[in-house]
Parts: sequence; structure tokens; C-alpha cells
Amino acid sequence: DAGITQSPRYKITETGRQVTLMCHQTWSHSYMFWYRQDLGHGLRLIYYSAAADITDKGEVPDGYVVSRSKTENFPLTLESATRSQTSVYFCASRGVTGANVLTFGAGSRLTVL
Amino acid sequence: AQSVTQLDSQVPVFEEAPVELRCNYSSSVSVYLFWYVQYPNQGLQLLLKYLSGSTLVKGINGFEAEFNKSQTSFHLRKPSVHISDTAEYFCAVSDRGTGANNLFFGTGTRLTVIP
Repeated sequence: DAGITQSPRYKITETGRQVTLMCHQTWSHSYMFWYRQDLGHGLRLIYYSAAADITDKGEVPDGYVVSRSKTENFPLTLESATRSQTSVYFCASRGVTGANVLTFGAGSRLTVL
Repeated sequence: AQSVTQLDSQVPVFEEAPVELRCNYSSSVSVYLFWYVQYPNQGLQLLLKYLSGSTLVKGINGFEAEFNKSQTSFHLRKPSVHISDTAEYFCAVSDRGTGANNLFFGTGTRLTVIP
């Protein structure tokens, strides 16, 4: 299917466990992003990537790791999950000339117990 | 850096009534402005955008917004809302540079349309 897909859509884990959220896009967009959405904070940028093997920190990167070995995939890993990382995570992408018009995935709701 | 303020966290409105969702931004440079809508259990989708040109921008589903540079505002309006407009609405701003980390979102306004 064309578009941007996230998996899993829902995940419950325990404090200290490693969790990876997957993001896959079919447009060959250069830019990909990870945001977290929390009540009262809107969306905050965690990490972004301008191309394969190029990643950079956003506003709230602590506790997260990303990689981008292929243009279409941009996984987000929580190496040791904490309760404060309970959130809804959105992946997004855009082309090089997208004027910051992003296309979002459906989101991954993560609960850390 | 830019920032966005959405003063109204929740806006209830009766069906077929008009609505305005307020957005103010701060920036020392020229900006792009966006409204995104998020329906329940879905990702965000672009409602409309201001890049340049006419300050009145029309979007999908009958929404429009007006860019007011002097008041640094980009309020979203619809003359007659429907039940299906119930959603969360996010205003966003970015500068006109080529950077990828320069898009900032407001905290959102939850629009509830009452039958």
C-alpha cells in the first residue's frame, strides 16, 4: 500500500525494556520525522532525517535512538523505556521541496508501565 | 526560533454555527503557516497552508484561514460546521529556510460540534 505506515499501532511495555517503533514510507521522501504527542504539549520533534544515514536531534531526543539505513524506513528505539515515554508517536515524511508540508502516519500509542 | 500559541484548548459549537479557532505565532523572520486536523485515532492531515500570495487561504472541507502579518495571527474559520468536523486542530509555523527541524506546532484546539 502506498503511504506511510507505522507499527505497532498499540504497544504496552514495562519500564526498562527496549521498544522499537517502525515507520515505512513508499514515496521515497528524503525527509522523515518522529514526533511525540502529549496533552498540553502538542507535537514535539524527537529526531529527524534528511536522507539515508543522516539523522539529527530534535527538541526532545533524550532516551531515543534512530537509524536510517534505507530511505523508506526510519525506526525509533527506546533503549530503556521509562513511564515518561508513555505517549503517542507519529512518524512523518516530506520531499525535498515540500515547504514543510508533512504527511503523517496513523500513530503508535505506547504505554510504559 | 518560532513559536505558536493556540489559546483555546477546547471549543464547543453547535452544528451549523460558525467557528473560529485562533492561532498566534511569534517569529523574527518570514514564515510559512499551516493548519492540520487530527480525527480520532488518526494521524494529522493538512487542512490548509499559507506559503505566499493572497492572505486568505482556502482549505479542504470548507475551512479557510487568514494570514495577518501585523497581528501575527492565522485564525481558522468555517461558516457552518458539521458533526464530522469534530476533531483536534493544530496550527504550525516554520521559517522559510531549508532546514527540516524548523516546524513548530501549537498545543492544539479540540473542536466539538454539538448536534
